[in-house]
Parts: sequence; structure tokens; C-alpha cells
Amino acid sequence: QVQLVVSGGGVVQPGRSLRLSCAASGFTFSHYTMVWVRQAPGKGLEWVTFISSDGGSKNFADSVKGRFTISRDNSKNTVYLQMNSLRVEDTAVYYCARDVSVNWFGPWGQGTLVTVSS
Amino acid sequence: QSALTQPASVSGSPGQSITISCSGTSSDIGSYNLLSWYQQHPGKAPQVIIYEGNERPSGVSNRFSGSKSGNTASLTISGLQAEDEADYYCCTYASSTYIFGSGTTVTVL
Repeated sequence: QVQLVVSGGGVVQPGRSLRLSCAASGFTFSHYTMVWVRQAPGKGLEWVTFISSDGGSKNFADSVKGRFTISRDNSKNTVYLQMNSLRVEDTAVYYCARDVSVNWFGPWGQGTLVTVSS
Repeated sequence: QSALTQPASVSGSPGQSITISCSGTSSDIGSYNLLSWYQQHPGKAPQVIIYEGNERPSGVSNRFSGSKSGNTASLTISGLQAEDEADYYCCTYASSTYIFGSGTTVTVL
């Protein structure tokens, strides 16, 4: 079945880096744009970034621009979120999701908690 | 990239219909027919229930319906059931970004 599995979360100090991975299965990964969405504890959803199917197009939310990068390896069916210069306000559950024709996101990975704290 | 505006909470009794609004601007909701709605139960990942404003993915109950007028979209849940108690988010594409709504908690009385 179509599935996304997220890994790489954890506790990190402010200013440090962390890389999240999202492994896809059950669909032709190289045909789809992928997105990362985060949710701070007790808060709403916030779109973070997307990467096009071939990796040639990307964009980021203003809140992470210049600090986060996104990449993908279509041979490994995996998308990555590199998070640098982390801030306390980056603390959140990070989800990856498949972007279906710029219309909607689905499925979603199970999410991974990133805690930025000293 | 300001969040779309949703009411913080909406409640209803079983069997009733409720409507959740999602207000944006002429630059986002008003310019694109790419509005989706997500349902999120506590501790779970969101799931799409409406896309393109009023389309339902396979497997989603026809008790969920969407509409749009100008810069405001709406989600209606008819025949409210206990399992509908969850958080609901609208989301639109706009100029190479995506914008989520502030979220609405639906309570079944």
C-alpha cells in the first residue's frame, strides 16, 4: 500500500542541525512532488517546503527560508529535510506528504518530533 | 504567508449539520480552485477529506462537502457523528506556497 515513513527526529540544541528522512513505498515516487508540513505542540499545521518530482523546483516558508533545505533521491524513494541553525520555535512534529497534482496532500507520514532545547 | 482564518471551534449534536468557514484573500483562495480540507484526530496524521474545493477522495464519506464563494471556502459536515470529532484544517495553494487555515476543533455534543 501507499506509505511514507519518517525518521530522524529527536532533541537538539539551538543552533545545531538535524536531517529528517521520509521513505516512500507503494507508488512511483519519482512522479510526485513531495512536501514537509510541521505542527508545533498544541498548534495548527504549517507548510514548510516542497520539492518537485525531479528536484528542480523547490520553495520554502518564510519562517525557514535560508536555514532549511530539501532534497530527494529518486533511486532510494526518499526525500530529506536538512534543518540548520535550529531555533526553539522549530520544535514541532514534522510530517512528509505526497502532493497530488498541487491539489492535495496524501498520504502523510506518521510524523517525527523535533525538539529544539538547551 | 498569513494563515487562513477559521473559527477556533464548532459544535453540534449527533445528526445535525455544521459548517466550518475558511477565509482568505483574493491572492489565495480567491485566485485558485486548489482548496483542500484535512481532518486530524488527536495524535494522528491529517487526512484529506475534500480537494479542489468540493471533490472527495475515494473512501471519504459523502457527509462531507465543500464549497467556495469569493475569498471564503466552507466545509459542511451533515449527519454529524461521534467519529467526526476532530480538528479540521483548510489549505490552499498560492504562488508556489501552501497556506493552511488556523484550524477548527469540532465537538460532537
